[in-house]
Amino acid sequence: QSALTQPASVSGSPGQSITISCTVVGSDVGSYNFVSWYQQHPGKAPKLILFDVNNRPSGVSSRFSASKSANTASLTISGLQIEDEAVYYCSSYTNIITSVLFGGGTKLTVL
Amino acid sequence: QAQLQESGPGLVKPSETLSLTCSVSGVSIGSYFWGWIRQPPGKGLEWIGYGSYGGRTHYNPSLKSRVTISLDASKNQFSLNLTFATAADTAIYYCARDHGSRGIDYWGQGTLVTVS
Repeated sequence: QSALTQPASVSGSPGQSITISCTVVGSDVGSYNFVSWYQQHPGKAPKLILFDVNNRPSGVSSRFSASKSANTASLTISGLQIEDEAVYYCSSYTNIITSVLFGGGTKLTVL
Repeated sequence: QAQLQESGPGLVKPSETLSLTCSVSGVSIGSYFWGWIRQPPGKGLEWIGYGSYGGRTHYNPSLKSRVTISLDASKNQFSLNLTFATAADTAIYYCARDHGSRGIDYWGQGTLVTVS
């Protein structure tokens, strides 16, 4: 059984940069190419902020970027702002691209 | 710009079927995959499954025996049926568009379903 593992929480100060990791555990997330990241504020639906590793939907700030190496994907938020405080989820398909996995979520606190 | 809106009972009795409908506007459900994701109160996201107008469906293996997702192009809606509901199915249910490699790009606002 596969899983995506994220740290439970990270924190940073306004203006700083932070990175959230997303690590694949398990053998059937072979391609791990279609990684997406979502931002969720309290009481709101998740919002897509990055797809296919490091592509931003229209309207998403360039302060959000991502990368991938081996079995770990990373989300970087630069120039932290108060409004970035949210929970961030990574997501990917299993290697047969029929199931979707979500990471457990990382709560970002902007101090 | 697509808009999605979930509807259905907010309270379901244990052992009954949880049924939700997602009404889509701004785009036809004739393309892409359309699916459901849920979030137990205070917890993370869980993918339930998705389906396409062509009849292809894929479900979370842990829920597969209880889940059906169907699409009605004439109404531009799709639905979720989850049989034999238990308290563990209590969650906010989101309907969404799965755009493949471009991510899950449109989400409904979510609807809380309590099994009790």
